[in-house]
Amino acid sequence: DGGITQSPKYLFRKEGQNVTLSCEQNLNHDAMYWYRQDPGQGLRLIYYSQIVNDFQKGDIAEGYSVSREKKESFPLTVTSAQKNPTAFYLCASSPRLAGSYEQYFGPGTRLTVT
Amino acid sequence: DAKTTQPPSMDCAEGRAANLPCNHSTISGNEYVYWYRQIHSQGPQYIIHGLKNNETNEMASLIITEDRKSSTLILPHATLRDTAVYYCIVRVGGAQKLVFGQGTRLTINP
Repeated sequence: DGGITQSPKYLFRKEGQNVTLSCEQNLNHDAMYWYRQDPGQGLRLIYYSQIVNDFQKGDIAEGYSVSREKKESFPLTVTSAQKNPTAFYLCASSPRLAGSYEQYFGPGTRLTVT
Repeated sequence: DAKTTQPPSMDCAEGRAANLPCNHSTISGNEYVYWYRQIHSQGPQYIIHGLKNNETNEMASLIITEDRKSSTLILPHATLRDTAVYYCIVRVGGAQKLVFGQGTRLTINP
């Protein structure tokens, strides 16, 4: 089955701890993305990557870091510097960055920091 | 900066066609119209997209007006599982992000 997996579905952390969210895709897509969604709001872009070992900041990158060591994987680390980390995090991928390609989304990880 | 306007909510009877409108009066010539939907607590699901011509796939039809200032997503035979928030997005082909507005909360009633 081709698709995007995110784990875990729910994640709880104490304030001050870094936490890494997993995103894996077996669609052979070049581009991958991380979005954040707050209750009742649309998605906001955190980071994106169009190729291995390359990534770019999105609109709200502060307090987050990413890596792209493999084509299939694009993990997101929420650091203690992120002021309001509690949110629903969504990973997506598309065949290419450019062009009219649609983005395919994973099921999301709901992070709660107390 | 969503660039689209959608009604906040709509209702439709099960088995009927659901017609979801979207205004994008400032759309540029190279911007596509995309539709996604999001069922509660899940990731958004791609539905369809188009540039100028009407499009149809197994999920829906997309009707774009000739001046491209508005469009309508049609779910031909709505089921209860179509209850979701539907997002209309305009996007340049080379743009890296999708800008989601508030969307339309569609409720399919039995």
